[in-house]
Amino acid sequence: QKEVEQDPGPLSVPEGAIVSLNCTYSNSAFQYFMWYRQYSRKGPELLMYTYSSGNKEDGRFTAQVDKSSKYISLFIRDSQPSDSATYLCASRLYNNNDMRFGAGTRLTVKP
Amino acid sequence: NAGVMQNPRHLVRRRGQEARLRCSPMKGHSHVYWYRQLPEEGLKFMVYLQKENIIDESGMPKERFSAEFPKEGPSILRIQQVVRGDSAAYFCASSPNEQTQETQYFGPGTRLLVL
Repeated sequence: QKEVEQDPGPLSVPEGAIVSLNCTYSNSAFQYFMWYRQYSRKGPELLMYTYSSGNKEDGRFTAQVDKSSKYISLFIRDSQPSDSATYLCASRLYNNNDMRFGAGTRLTVKP
Repeated sequence: NAGVMQNPRHLVRRRGQEARLRCSPMKGHSHVYWYRQLPEEGLKFMVYLQKENIIDESGMPKERFSAEFPKEGPSILRIQQVVRGDSAAYFCASSPNEQTQETQYFGPGTRLLVL
């Protein structure tokens, strides 16, 4: 079993839709949770990170962590075609350099 | 302010040759991380380095792979005697210090193809 599981999709939505991206993880000791966006043939770009449980909002993006169910979510409001990319979730321990990534979900937002 | 730079962007090697991948961190960043990404799989951590020191190499294969980050110049990921299974995208990331590991900035990657 992978430590971080993510549905690879692909996920296709119309412009303006609310997108929900999700991951589950198995290691209850994970403390940091990150979402990266990766455009085709590019390196990942950090979108958001949270420490422990809770919500974090940044513009159209909201990250949620529920440690009781080991569930990580990223919501994108008013999705735009420019949001079309692969979204990677990642987790790591408090004092450890080894970030564990999900496989990534490929998102397409159609105009 | 240039971002993380990696070169070459594409590298083709035959089985048994050596591959050298270079990474120049963002200006002011002294921490470098290397990851490997296989098709349809997530990024896998390989090694974490600071200038002249390997801090964590727990993700590095035990043989053929090595990494360095000299006092001057880029970080180098070296793969000796490459095999077809080494074909992947290799990403480098950097951060200013240990306390900001979450804000790792990634380079564009080097795509290695082993024939």
